[in-house]
Amino acid sequence: KNEVEQSPQNLTAQEGEFITINCSYSVGISALHWLQQHPGGGIVSLFMLSSGKKKHGRLIATINIQEKHSSLHITASHPRDSAVYICAVRTSGTYKYIFGTGTRLKVLA
Amino acid sequence: GAGVSQSPRYKVAKRGQDVALRCDPISGHVSLFWYQQALGQGPEFLTYFQNEAQLDKSGLPSDRFFAERPEGSVSTLKIQRTQQEDSAVYLCASSLGRRSNYEQYFGPGTRLTVT
Repeated sequence: KNEVEQSPQNLTAQEGEFITINCSYSVGISALHWLQQHPGGGIVSLFMLSSGKKKHGRLIATINIQEKHSSLHITASHPRDSAVYICAVRTSGTYKYIFGTGTRLKVLA
Repeated sequence: GAGVSQSPRYKVAKRGQDVALRCDPISGHVSLFWYQQALGQGPEFLTYFQNEAQLDKSGLPSDRFFAERPEGSVSTLKIQRTQQEDSAVYLCASSLGRRSNYEQYFGPGTRLTVT
């Protein structure tokens, strides 16, 4: 069992839909990051969370430390949101990051 | 301002050759990470530097892999006697501080293909 698991692995949505991507982890963490990776492109950091909720534009990220779970929400999705979204955790007491395998999102016009 | 840069962007090596991959982090960033990303997978942690000190190298897959950051800025990841399983994208990331609540800035990666 992977220490960081994401669901779904693949997601196709129609433009305008509300999207949720989930991340569950089984290790103690000091922070959780949500990242975006476009095909053939680099990785961009979207959010960094240690508790609660953060919002940036149409993106919202939440984390529940007790349940070891985080969600990334995209409101009013758009084709330009099509990318791979990756959850990464920094394990407590270390400098090591563990990444999920990513959720491949495709938003259709 | 300049982001994290990596060179070369693409490298083809014959099995058994040595390669050196370079990372130029954002100026002033204390932390530097190296990751390996196989096709269709998420990145995997290789090693971490805080300034010039390599504080964690637990992710390096074998003793053929060696990383350094001698002056606390530019870093080099060296792979000796490359094998086909080394084919991957090697990503470098830097962050301003030491703590986990600093954003990581990723470079574009070096795609290594071992033939």
